Amino acid sequence: RKEVEQDPGPFNVPEGATVAFNCTYSNSASQSFFWYRQDCRKEPKLLMSVYSSGNEDGRFTAQLNRASQYISLLIRDSKLSDSATYLCVVNLRSTLTFGKGTMLLVSP
Amino acid sequence: NAGVTQTPKFQVLKTGQSMTLQCAQDMNHEYMSWYRQDPGMGLRLIHYSVGAGITDQGEVPNGYNVSRSTTEDFPLRLLSAAPSQTSVYFCASSYDSNSNQPQHFGDGTRLSIL
Repeated sequence: RKEVEQDPGPFNVPEGATVAFNCTYSNSASQSFFWYRQDCRKEPKLLMSVYSSGNEDGRFTAQLNRASQYISLLIRDSKLSDSATYLCVVNLRSTLTFGKGTMLLVSP
Repeated sequence: NAGVTQTPKFQVLKTGQSMTLQCAQDMNHEYMSWYRQDPGMGLRLIHYSVGAGITDQGEVPNGYNVSRSTTEDFPLRLLSAAPSQTSVYFCASSYDSNSNQPQHFGDGTRLSIL
């Protein structure tokens, strides 16, 4: 089983739609979790950390289920500018493991 | 604010050549790391450092050397470039190795080995 797995997509959604991405991780000892965003041919940028209690940042909501080793990202009211690849990232003993990313395409 | 600076941004090498990818950060971050990103593979950790004088191997260290003589700099050396090392290389840093610290990435170095 791969360490961090994501559906590669692409997810094609219209503006204003709500879209959800899922991610699973294999190592139950993983300590912290993040969602990064990567635009084409650019560096990854932190979108948000993911906490067990769930957390929200504007239109973005992240959830963590440690029992199921599952992380999610919900984007509400999608904007054209949300088009990017979303990377699920897991931290274990000071090393980050990246999922391959889920591509989102938001159309007018 | 410079953040994490990588040089060069682009490089073409011939098989067997050596070169050093430079990475510098001005945020006084203890933790620095190098990743490579290949199509369909995601980012993979090459080497990392938790502080000056300390380095360790990541997932794909073969063919690469690193050193950390100062807090600011973390160069990545290719001793004898191979076509399999054609990739986009990202350097990243974070305040410390605490698992809750997010990493800040440089713009990347696009390397082609002919």
